[in-house]
Amino acid sequence: AQTVTQSQPEMSVQEAETVTLSCTYDTSENNYYLFWYKQPPSRQMILVIRQEAYKQQNATENRFSVNFQKAAKSFSLKISDSQLGDTAMYFCAFMKRGGGSNYKLTFGKGTLLTVNP
Amino acid sequence: EPEVTQTPSHQVTQMGQEVILRCVPISNHLYFYWYRQILGQKVEFLVSFYNNEISEKSEIFDDQFSVERPDGSNFTLKIRSTKLEDSAMYFCASSEGGAPETQYFGPGTRLLVL
Repeated sequence: AQTVTQSQPEMSVQEAETVTLSCTYDTSENNYYLFWYKQPPSRQMILVIRQEAYKQQNATENRFSVNFQKAAKSFSLKISDSQLGDTAMYFCAFMKRGGGSNYKLTFGKGTLLTVNP
Repeated sequence: EPEVTQTPSHQVTQMGQEVILRCVPISNHLYFYWYRQILGQKVEFLVSFYNNEISEKSEIFDDQFSVERPDGSNFTLKIRSTKLEDSAMYFCASSEGGAPETQYFGPGTRLLVL
């Protein structure tokens, strides 16, 4: 079974600064995907960024980038130039890659990020 | 942009009652999921559904739970006889394909069992 751990329940950052959210996971799988989801207050959870474990290059999406360390089983999210709209709960999630028709996500507990003006 | 919708947003029920939580996935999606989050705990997978059948279910998804896609647009989660510990936020999600297709989540239904 897979587990995902987010050790920072809450974080805060000043607008325009950079913040890094931590995530570690435990799995015996070699092929998998990792995700960061964002849930703004009273809104849907939406995908921020995705990383395929077989790709060495770290994924980036505009101001969002990851530091994927496969050997260390670490998957941190860096948010550059933080904006007030980045205030949200951030969830790290794991998905096993394989055949069949099941693609369940295993989530961490979440980190509540507050961006201060 | 298409969204997953869920109704109701909140539901209060008495222990032992049946509840049905409703979801309308994005129209061209083929994979459907239910997750739940008990207050203060992780979001947990309940069940995945593809091609009109359950493809996987977790230990939580016991005989009290069932899912259905009754009319090609709705996707429902039924809890036959609710327990206090079923109180949680229930999220529906859908995806166009399998891994690593993005799962799109609904806003959730907050269920409170008294």
